[in-house]
Amino acid sequence: GAVVSQHPSRVICKSGTSVKIECRSLDFQATTMFWYRQFPKKSLMLMATSNEGSKATYEQGVEKDKFLINHASLTLSTLTVTSAHPEDSSFYICSASGGGVTDTQYFGPGTRLTVL
Amino acid sequence: GENVEQHPSTLSVQEGDSAVIKCTYSDSASNYFPWYKQELGKGPQLIIDIRSNVGEKKDQRIAVTLNKTAKHFSLHITETQPEDSAVYFCAAREGGTSYGKLTFGQGTILTVHP
Repeated sequence: GAVVSQHPSRVICKSGTSVKIECRSLDFQATTMFWYRQFPKKSLMLMATSNEGSKATYEQGVEKDKFLINHASLTLSTLTVTSAHPEDSSFYICSASGGGVTDTQYFGPGTRLTVL
Repeated sequence: GENVEQHPSTLSVQEGDSAVIKCTYSDSASNYFPWYKQELGKGPQLIIDIRSNVGEKKDQRIAVTLNKTAKHFSLHITETQPEDSAVYFCAAREGGTSYGKLTFGQGTILTVHP
């Protein structure tokens, strides 16, 4: 149980285009989903927290207009990187939590974004 | 906010030996402490977690201990195997709610030599 999927696993795009990453909880309802960014050989950096049906809460320094997060259902959250630039290239990982006694965060496999 | 320090940054052991990774946290209200294993190019995988109402938890070759007074917790892996080689992250959840965000340590690269 507690499986989280991400799609796509890998994406290459041109500078200036937008990219959408999907995060799905496959066998539980995710009250809260988190989006992280990870640079090579570094720890996970939380970008934002989203609760189903609510606006996402962004961490300090994360541009909300650049990283659009939508959590429209209890099993799906999306991260859209708008007008991507090479500095946005990174490993993006989502996690999902059922909340309450099932508040463990389960991570997706990650999405490698490369902006040319 | 919460601050988590993790040591060592790299750890090299021989197969069959034990490995210990230590973390300290700053927020005394933190109440949940998971450990994740991350293999290259993959997402972190939860391997064990502990809540603030217990001092120790064990799952086969893996154990975690928590000292709330000293605000530190440790991961113990016994009888290490080459497949245990990965990056390990500790984390602490900010106290007060079940929805608090996790703050991660810097990670430990564990290498188990056959």
